Amino acid sequence: AQKITQTQPGMFVQEKEAVTLDCTYDTSDQSYGLFWYKQPSSGEMIFLIYQGSYDEQNATEGRYSLNFQKARKSANLVISASQLGDSAMYFCAMREHPPGGNNRLAFGKGNQVVVIP
Amino acid sequence: ETGVTQTPRHLVMGMTNKKSLKCEQHLGHNAMYWYKQSAKKPLELMFVYNFKEQTENNSVPSRFSPECPNSSHLFLHLHTLQPEDSALYLCASSKDGTAANIQYFGAGTRLSVL
Repeated sequence: AQKITQTQPGMFVQEKEAVTLDCTYDTSDQSYGLFWYKQPSSGEMIFLIYQGSYDEQNATEGRYSLNFQKARKSANLVISASQLGDSAMYFCAMREHPPGGNNRLAFGKGNQVVVIP
Repeated sequence: ETGVTQTPRHLVMGMTNKKSLKCEQHLGHNAMYWYKQSAKKPLELMFVYNFKEQTENNSVPSRFSPECPNSSHLFLHLHTLQPEDSALYLCASSKDGTAANIQYFGAGTRLSVL
């Protein structure tokens, strides 16, 4: 069963506008972590932001913020003041602990964002 | 520049070839990972090494053989691959093997198997 769901189709965003990328997750763990990564066309996965399940404040990192709604199991990424360099695939990931296994990251399928001038 | 370097960036190989992918991290981390990224599929974890010891093999076929000689270097040896193995192979490292730590990725090796 898919643990991380990212269902938005490719998005076009006007430069300097804000964009919200949706991520919902499924877990029965009480303690977990949520991550967002950016992957430009070059291929490198770039860490953006992290939210712990017990963190009371929404995580922020520069122009990135995470809208964490625990009861709804959602962890949406908000990018403010979009720049052309924000064009990329964005992946949501969750730390999970499978039975009898090690902690691991489960990734969603990603959201494509294209910023237009 | 994340501190994780992968070579080569692109690789084309026949099904009977033997090749190796290399990953090097300059972050002082103790855990290293191999992931496979296929089109329209989530990232798949392949192997995890923690302090040079393999701690995870996610049911990867034996035609993929990892090697971790030290905490800074990770190799993926490839032999008799299939066309469906064509993908982007990403290496990552983290402070240790717990997924609580942030994983930092390289730019990947784009592999095409003919």
